Amino acid sequence: NAGVTQTPKFQVLKTGQSMTLQCAQDMNHEYMSWYRQDPGMGLRLIHYSVGAGITDQGEVPNGYNVSRSTTEDFPLRLLSAAPSQTSVYFCASSYEAGGSYNEQFFGPGTRLTVL
Amino acid sequence: QQQVKQSPQSLIVQKGGISIINCAYENTAFDYFPWYQQFPGKGPALLIAIRPDVSEKKEGRFTISFNKSAKQFSLHIMDSQPGDSATYFCAASVITGGGNKLTFGTGTQLKVEL
Repeated sequence: NAGVTQTPKFQVLKTGQSMTLQCAQDMNHEYMSWYRQDPGMGLRLIHYSVGAGITDQGEVPNGYNVSRSTTEDFPLRLLSAAPSQTSVYFCASSYEAGGSYNEQFFGPGTRLTVL
Repeated sequence: QQQVKQSPQSLIVQKGGISIINCAYENTAFDYFPWYQQFPGKGPALLIAIRPDVSEKKEGRFTISFNKSAKQFSLHIMDSQPGDSATYFCAASVITGGGNKLTFGTGTQLKVEL
């Protein structure tokens, strides 16, 4: 198993550009989520999904869109990038969406810089 | 509002010493408290986790101590090694009733010196 994979590893955008961060998992996990990591702020939840076709907002959803058309993929879209979105983005997945204690597996991250 | 407060921000420990990282939480609905370890350039990885119905959990050199009444929990690393040098995050989640959303602390950068 490849686990949780993310592409690209690095990306530089100009203000106003759009892009999609890709996330895929091959563990047949039900739950997937996106976090952003900023210095001194830990990881903050952006969006999450409890299964294909079901998504919801986390703590910091503004400026980001997600969709979940398959169990495996959970892309994160930046519609109009802003310098405040400069961050490291992590995708995570776990076997079940809730009701039991599930380890969340994190991908290697995407480092995004918005100029 | 930071729902999970973590301290210290950074920590330097001598090889063989004990590393202690503390966290405090606000939300009494939290019922799962994991610790994640992150090496530079990598994603966080689960280190150890505890449920609020126990006061301590030990796995090898790593121990979580949990104080429900004080709403505090801590990570102890015994016999700290240079390979333990990493950033550690405490987290909390409400598992009961569904959902797997983690609320993270701000992280502690641990350096273990020879």
